[in-house]
Amino acid sequence: GQQLNQSPQSMFIQEGEDVSMNCTSSSIFNTWLWYKQEPGEGPVLLIALYKAGELTSNGRLTAQFGITRKDSFLNISASIPSDVGIYFCAGPPSGGYQKVTFGTGTKLQVIP
Amino acid sequence: DGGITQSPKYLFRKEGQNVTLSCEQNLNHDAMYWYRQDPGQGLRLIYYSQIVNDFQKGDIAEGYSVSREKKESFPLTVTSAQKNPTAFYLCASSMKGLSYGYTFGSGTRLTVV
Repeated sequence: GQQLNQSPQSMFIQEGEDVSMNCTSSSIFNTWLWYKQEPGEGPVLLIALYKAGELTSNGRLTAQFGITRKDSFLNISASIPSDVGIYFCAGPPSGGYQKVTFGTGTKLQVIP
Repeated sequence: DGGITQSPKYLFRKEGQNVTLSCEQNLNHDAMYWYRQDPGQGLRLIYYSQIVNDFQKGDIAEGYSVSREKKESFPLTVTSAQKNPTAFYLCASSMKGLSYGYTFGSGTRLTVV
């Protein structure tokens, strides 16, 4: 099936640092979703993007819908230990509404 | 509060046995999904259902079965035919259109002993 490529695959950062991660696809997406999964739990929706070029914030998190509609970016400012988890991008591909495609995930570790 | 509930949280099964994982939602969502997640890996789709009494295979359906007799419920059976069933199983639901993505349950960790 279709795949979304996320990078980096994993990252270790110091508390207080900013974090950037991205997600790319070979297909056009009409919606981009960013999820966070904490250990032993299900993913939780952080941000949803619906328009090319859109920039949306949720507290210290900011996500952008790429203008080509084939990529998206997530930034976390001033990281804290509770930011630890796996971040997934996702979206329903254009023309396909039956299910959402998930990215491979970026695992974030924050060093206090 | 509306949500999606998976039970049990932890499940142990002997080799050769079938086991059923429960998933219930009270969000009035039409569609429900089952995903498998292996350690350090992404999500792989097992089965999904858009309406009652109808479901489709996902990318890794072999060794699994589902039913959708009620809108609120979408149980997953891991059969003895599943060669490597130890994994973290996630159930999700969504409204039509998918614009708001999925709501996930908290998962069931299945271990074969």
